Amino acid sequence: SQQGEEDPQALSIQEGENATMNCSYKTSINNLQWYRQNSGRGLVHLILIRSNEREKHSGRLRVTLDTSKKSSSLLITASRAADTASYFCASLTGNQFYFGTGTSLTVIP
Amino acid sequence: NAGVTQTPKFQVLKTGQSMTLQCAQDMNHNSMYWYRQDPGMGLRLIYYSASEGTTDKGEVPNGYNVSRLNKREFSLRLESAAPSQTSVYFCASSHNQPQHFGDGTRLSIL
Repeated sequence: SQQGEEDPQALSIQEGENATMNCSYKTSINNLQWYRQNSGRGLVHLILIRSNEREKHSGRLRVTLDTSKKSSSLLITASRAADTASYFCASLTGNQFYFGTGTSLTVIP
Repeated sequence: NAGVTQTPKFQVLKTGQSMTLQCAQDMNHNSMYWYRQDPGMGLRLIYYSASEGTTDKGEVPNGYNVSRLNKREFSLRLESAAPSQTSVYFCASSHNQPQHFGDGTRLSIL
């Protein structure tokens, strides 16, 4: 399987704290994307980082990419209760996406 | 603007029954995908269609067939359902990047 892995599997923080989740993938990539999934819903795209980029920001999101280690991290700053969801990384290799196993984030009000 | 619409939302089948899951997108995207999501496994690609008239196998195609009926519609068929195919199935579409997902079909096979 070329499925990536994420850690931690679950993360519980207080509102206002930062949340960091990590993703590892197995093959060389075109880009890496992060998605969010609320319970019972489909995935929603958050941010994309290309293989030649090292860091990218979007609002309260910061993504880093280390292609030498085949890893990426997603930082959510100043978390809110509404950020409670599962977060997945997806690496694009050729025409196929390989998703990580996901991090379940709970933000406590 | 509906985005990606999947039907049905829920289905229970008996082992050996057949079923087609429907997916339609209204964003004029070229590429469409079918995934399954199992607990602790993330999403795994079953089949994808890079453009109308083409389909390719993903990571876990066994037991499934697909049809790209036109640019809007991409269906997934289980010819003889097995308990191992109990899962949540997601359809997605994209034009370059990123992917847009439907809300899933929850399928249980007894």
